[in-house]
Amino acid sequence: QKEVEQNSGPLSVPEGAIASLNCTYSDRGSQSFFWYRQYSGKSPELIMSIYSNGDKEDGRFTAQLNKASQYVSLLIRDSQPSDSATYLCAVAGGTSYGKLTFGQGTILTVHP
Amino acid sequence: GAVVSQHPSRVICKSGTSVKIECRSLDFQATTMFWYRQFPKQSLMLMATSNEGSKATYEQGVEKDKFLINHASLTLSTLTVTSAHPEDSSFYICSAGRDGQGALDTQYFGPGTRLTVL
Repeated sequence: QKEVEQNSGPLSVPEGAIASLNCTYSDRGSQSFFWYRQYSGKSPELIMSIYSNGDKEDGRFTAQLNKASQYVSLLIRDSQPSDSATYLCAVAGGTSYGKLTFGQGTILTVHP
Repeated sequence: GAVVSQHPSRVICKSGTSVKIECRSLDFQATTMFWYRQFPKQSLMLMATSNEGSKATYEQGVEKDKFLINHASLTLSTLTVTSAHPEDSSFYICSAGRDGQGALDTQYFGPGTRLTVL
């Protein structure tokens, strides 16, 4: 089992819709959870961080964390074509304290 | 902000030469910096963790004698790819951990360096 798994994608949604990205992790001791966005040929850009169970909202983005289920998700409301990118889930803490473990990424395409 | 820069952004070299990549945190001090490598259509793979003033910690399978890391100050870490070969061609990305922000684990990434070895 991979340490961090994301829904395989690619995910395609129409402009204005909600895009839902999912991630599960295997290390129950993980403490910090991040979503990064990566455009083709560019480095990752931090979108959201979440540390406690529940929801965290920032503009059109909402991160959801459920430590009991070892599950973290990212919702993008009112999706725009500029949101088209690869979204990386990253987890830290537990046995890999101070280091990020990345999922394989989910490619999101928002079509007009 | 939390700006991390890398230099150069792109380098093409001949097989057998060495290439140095610099990573700088511009507006904060970074006790810890990380070096990643990303091959096409793959996720980021951590190569090593660089701590200011001490030896880097390399991930399993990463040759420490081939990928030399120096973290001489709180704002600068360098990665030298020695005797580069075509299989070392990749996108190298550094990140810096921003201490004292309530989450040591938060990392900010540099723009990356695309290395092509001919």
